Amino acid sequence: GQNIDQPTEMTATEGAIVQINCTYQTSGFNGLFWYQQHAGEAPTFLSYNVLDGLEEKGRFSSFLSRSKGYSYLLLKELQMKDSASYLCAVMDSNYQLIWGAGTKLIIKP
Amino acid sequence: IAGITQAPTSQILAAGRRMTLRCTQDMRHNAMYWYRQDLGLGLRLIHYSNTAGTTGKGEVPDGYSVSRANTDDFPLTLASAVPSQTSVYFCASSASGLDAGELFFGEGSRLTVL
Repeated sequence: GQNIDQPTEMTATEGAIVQINCTYQTSGFNGLFWYQQHAGEAPTFLSYNVLDGLEEKGRFSSFLSRSKGYSYLLLKELQMKDSASYLCAVMDSNYQLIWGAGTKLIIKP
Repeated sequence: IAGITQAPTSQILAAGRRMTLRCTQDMRHNAMYWYRQDLGLGLRLIHYSNTAGTTGKGEVPDGYSVSRANTDDFPLTLASAVPSQTSVYFCASSASGLDAGELFFGEGSRLTVL
């Protein structure tokens, strides 16, 4: 079966750095995606990795290792507004997105 | 630019009633999707459409139907609602090809079936 695993909840301090991990087992691979979802709102696209390595976009970076079936989202200089759920999704061989259950990130002052 | 518009934003209905959730996009995206999101389960795909005139079943299609008469509209119908269909429903769209994984979501429709 297809499976995406990520921690249910994480807590971090404002101004710090946090790494949210995602491991996957899917039928084929056509890219890994990270989305942010604030409580009561719709998910919004953050990043996309299709090749191994680090993609940096401002305070957010995403890393991919296809051989290990592993990705992480790195958030630097955390702000209170970063409190949200972060969803990991993998596009399989049928070009369908397989979603993880999401990681709820709580930022404390 | 509105992006994706869903209606209604919230609805309570009795079990056994028919309900249609509306979804309209103005981005001329080929692909559209309906997801449900339940606590602890993440997003689950109900139905999708890769282009106008075609639809496909996702992970949890039972009890739901869709149509795609044109590029912009993708309504989701519950023929006879049951309490297990209580959920938040998100409509989404994406371009084709390499951008297919960048989904644009509507604001969601919170449905409660009693």
